[in-house]
Amino acid sequence: DVKVTQSSRYLVKRTGEKVFLECVQDMDHENMFWYRQDPGLGLRLIYFSYDVKMKEKGDIPEGYSVSREKKERFSLILESASTNQTSMYLCASSLVGSTQYFGAGTRLSVL
Amino acid sequence: GIQVEQSPPDLILQEGANSTLRCNFSDSVNNLQWFHQNPWGQLINLFYIPSGTKQNGRLSATTVATERYSLLYISSSQTTDSGVYFCAVSGGGADGLTFGKGTHLIIQP
Repeated sequence: DVKVTQSSRYLVKRTGEKVFLECVQDMDHENMFWYRQDPGLGLRLIYFSYDVKMKEKGDIPEGYSVSREKKERFSLILESASTNQTSMYLCASSLVGSTQYFGAGTRLSVL
Repeated sequence: GIQVEQSPPDLILQEGANSTLRCNFSDSVNNLQWFHQNPWGQLINLFYIPSGTKQNGRLSATTVATERYSLLYISSSQTTDSGVYFCAVSGGGADGLTFGKGTHLIIQP
């Protein structure tokens, strides 16, 4: 079975802190993705990566950056967390043109 | 970008009933997935179905790509089927998914 692991289920941070959300997949997938989910707004794509060191902006990249130094790991970085970044963050991975598999999600609260 | 509309937004059924959830999309796609989100927020893959018909137990799905819609059928509903069902699509191999707003399904005992 494909396994996508997100490092934390729940996270509480202070405004202005630098926050790292980590995601690891074990199926040698080329593509990895970060989404956020908010009530009333649904799931939206933040960034994706189709190869090591490659990244593409999604629909809502402002306030975020990403890092993909190894194929299996994709990190989402909040350089200076703000309260409007309180959300559920979901990581996914896939082969090119195939099923996306999601991790369990990280509920981030920024106080 | 591609628009995705799901209907109905909410559905309340008795245990044992059948249901049909619909997903309309605005452009050609080469990826269409159906998910069930459990109460803890995890997205569970149900089907990868950019075209054609698939079945898995009590669930089946059909995508008519030429008419830009997909249907998810749930037969003999159980209370554990409750939750939010999402349709999501993309138009490219490495592209992220665009999600519909979901159908919130409640199965009453």
